[in-house]
Amino acid sequence: NAGVTQTPKFQVLKTGQSMTLQCAQDMNHNSMYWYRQDPGMGLRLIYYSASEGTTDKGEVPNGYNVSRLNKREFSLRLESAAPSQTSVYFCASSEAPAPGANVLTFGAGSRLTVL
Amino acid sequence: AQSVTQLDSQVPVFEEAPVELRCNYSSSVSVYLFWYVQYPNQGLQLLLKYLSGSTLVKGINGFEAEFNKSQTSFHLRKPSVHISDTAEYFCAVSEPSSASKIIFGSGTRLSIRP
Repeated sequence: NAGVTQTPKFQVLKTGQSMTLQCAQDMNHNSMYWYRQDPGMGLRLIYYSASEGTTDKGEVPNGYNVSRLNKREFSLRLESAAPSQTSVYFCASSEAPAPGANVLTFGAGSRLTVL
Repeated sequence: AQSVTQLDSQVPVFEEAPVELRCNYSSSVSVYLFWYVQYPNQGLQLLLKYLSGSTLVKGINGFEAEFNKSQTSFHLRKPSVHISDTAEYFCAVSEPSSASKIIFGSGTRLSIRP
């Protein structure tokens, strides 16, 4: 019962470096998401993918890119990391018992620090 | 566009006391509403959801929430809390027209005092 798996769990970057956060789910869910969590701001949606082959911007997409590699995998890339991107990143996937009624299953999170 | 407001960033309560965590949403259309819980150093997990039907929704661990369309609220309640309920609670909303876009509130940290 792996659910949603994120790697790495921790990462420290220098300003300007690039990196990719990986996410995989084994529940055959169609939709996948990337959120960031910052103190006092809750979770903010970065990008989401409603189905394989599609991606859409969320609330805070600037500075990020995503790839829906296949139905299982959804990666988040920081091309040139900035200190403002220091955060905890969560990947999630969802099933939809009714159209729009997506219930999210979250990964354990990836803590990223940009110096 | 939909949005969610959680009015209280922190709520301290004594063990076995009742608690209410407030959530208000903004949307011009019908919505689906959710409460998620995040225990320390973990990801979020679903507590309960409102999709349609009865406005009183029961979830796990004795929590319940009531959907009030006229007040655009979805407050979370528990009649008697335990130390194990110490966590951060997030309200979330989605719209059928934006099928996969789910927006979260800023969270309420519930701390239980013995």
